[in-house]
Amino acid sequence: AQSVTQLGSHVSVSEGALVLLRCNYSSSVPPYLFWYVQYPNQGLQLLLKYTTGATLVKGINGFEAEFKKSETSFHLTKPSAHMSDAAEYFCAVSQTSYDKVIFGPGTSLSVIP
Amino acid sequence: KAGVTQTPRYLIKTRGQQVTLSCSPISGHRSVSWYQQTPGQGLQFLFEYFSETQRNKGNFPGRFSGRQFSNSRSEMNVSTLELGDSALYLCASSLGTGSNQPQHFGDGTRLSIL
Repeated sequence: AQSVTQLGSHVSVSEGALVLLRCNYSSSVPPYLFWYVQYPNQGLQLLLKYTTGATLVKGINGFEAEFKKSETSFHLTKPSAHMSDAAEYFCAVSQTSYDKVIFGPGTSLSVIP
Repeated sequence: KAGVTQTPRYLIKTRGQQVTLSCSPISGHRSVSWYQQTPGQGLQFLFEYFSETQRNKGNFPGRFSGRQFSNSRSEMNVSTLELGDSALYLCASSLGTGSNQPQHFGDGTRLSIL
């Protein structure tokens, strides 16, 4: 069965510092992987996704993630944090394109001025 | 282009009642998925509808049901409400079925059970 873990339920970074949010998955086959962001009182917004091809995926708002099969990881990074990046971030996995999407528990990102 | 619209935004019910939540997908989107979000359990998949047919179902009791109409609008119903059903219910739409299709989420319906 597929699952997703996100290390760190809360992460704090200084404005301008590197953002690194960790995601590890378990899947018996190469999965589809996603990162979503949720701002307060809103739904989720897709940041980026990996299906096949290039393992470094660029998304919106300057975020990117790298699929590392050997480490079963899909960590999210951004070189320089902005105050507007403060939100909840969810990593998600789907084993095939026809499976339901399984979400991780989420990481709350705080950005300190 | 209008986004995914969920109504109502907030709802208060008491135990034992039933509730119906509505979701209008983005125009042209034929797939609608429903999720329950709680602080303790996180985001959990309820079900997915495509062309009025349920394509996928999560691990929820039969009290949770849904349907999709010919215009792709979807409703979910929860009967015999329990305190634990208090949650944010999110709807997401996509062009087609399958997780490689980007999902667009509404802002959710926050359901509180007293």
